[in-house]
Amino acid sequence: DTGVSQDPRHKITKRGQNVTFRCDPISEHNRLYWYRQTLGQGPEFLTYFQNEAQLEKSRLLSDRFSAERPKGSFSTLEIQRTEQGDSAMYLCASSSRASASSNEKLFFGSGTQLSVL
Amino acid sequence: DAKTTQPNSMESNEEEPVHLPCNHSTISGTDYIHWYRQLPSQGPEYVIHGLTSNVNNRMASLAIAEDRKSSTLILHRATLRDAAVYYCILRDSGAGSYQLTFGKGTKLSVIP
Repeated sequence: DTGVSQDPRHKITKRGQNVTFRCDPISEHNRLYWYRQTLGQGPEFLTYFQNEAQLEKSRLLSDRFSAERPKGSFSTLEIQRTEQGDSAMYLCASSSRASASSNEKLFFGSGTQLSVL
Repeated sequence: DAKTTQPNSMESNEEEPVHLPCNHSTISGTDYIHWYRQLPSQGPEYVIHGLTSNVNNRMASLAIAEDRKSSTLILHRATLRDAAVYYCILRDSGAGSYQLTFGKGTKLSVIP
């Protein structure tokens, strides 16, 4: 178990640029989540995948955001035309298919810190 | 998910027990109580969860009030590595949503 891996750890970009983050979940975890966290706040849910299917999306996920999980393994989160308000920590988490949602334990990565100048 | 209320911050001396409270007066019968913690510069980490009975694991204990309107996370001997933000979250076993709703949590400081 090597844990959830996120890349890059830090990203600095100029307003209007596109950015893409990658998440590698724990091997054989079929559930994958993206969360966003701003300074002093708890993480906020963005989207959820079960295998390759995106089953749930938050209203926070505007049309500039797109997430994919091809083949049900790693996932990417892309932000187009970044804005200063997109500056945040983007966290990825995964969990096992064996868990009912009420007993589910999420394993989080260390996140990608995005700064939009 | 139903709402929880936690103190913004708490302090503890190293090697002493810590009791982190959480109020959830609107909890429903199908809500599980989950705790996560977030160390500086890291993602959240699962700590413990329970429904009605008190729960123990290697990290902590969870004491759940008889009416389930409150719970307490107990760290038996605080260490400097326990300094983190602790989140109390309710998870509805009957809901179709898989999202966790984090509040602001309690920032625990451990004094050497």
